[in-house]
Amino acid sequence: QQKVQQSPESLTVSEGAMASLNCTFSDGTSNNFRWYRQHSAKGLEVLVSIFSDGEKEEGRFTAHLNRANLHVSLHIREPQPSDSAVYLCAVSRTNSAGNKLTFGIGTRVLVRP
Amino acid sequence: AQTIHQWPVAEIKAVGSPLSLGCTIKGKSSPNLYWYWQATGGTLQQLFYSITVGQVESVVQLNLSASRPKDDQFILSTEKLLLSHSGFYLCAWSLVGDGQLYFGEGSKLTVL
Repeated sequence: QQKVQQSPESLTVSEGAMASLNCTFSDGTSNNFRWYRQHSAKGLEVLVSIFSDGEKEEGRFTAHLNRANLHVSLHIREPQPSDSAVYLCAVSRTNSAGNKLTFGIGTRVLVRP
Repeated sequence: AQTIHQWPVAEIKAVGSPLSLGCTIKGKSSPNLYWYWQATGGTLQQLFYSITVGQVESVVQLNLSASRPKDDQFILSTEKLLLSHSGFYLCAWSLVGDGQLYFGEGSKLTVL
């Protein structure tokens, strides 16, 4: 069964400094990786999706995937206080039953002005 | 543009009482639909998915049921709530064959 772990549990950064979040997964056949953001008890906002090794940038958000190391990361460039939220890593496999995403528990990010 | 609407936004219910949560998707025909649940402090778990009207697959057994009475509607329900049902329920949709899920704003359920 897929296990997705995120680190750190929480992260405080100053406005403008880079924020880096990590996600490891257990199923090496996974090929869909997404980062979502959740502001307190709200819906999820997709930030970036990545499907092959390397880097994918969407605005200030960059994901790095290394499938051999079972690792995907998210970097937030020039974070702003409005970026304070819980960031969720979601992993899946194409054509899996029910298109099932397995989520990590999240990293709570606080951006200080 | 596609919109996804969940109702109610929040509910406080007694143990043993019935529950019905709803989700409507507009602007997209024949989407895949999903229910996810997040216990307080826990991870998001997929509960149900549906690829077509009248067809619902259960992923996790939580004494809940789901139905898809119309192409654009997904309902989550139970006749008897348990304390463990408390949490945040999210409805989502995706295009067939596309792994990208789009989530609603969620329904917060507190069972007392």
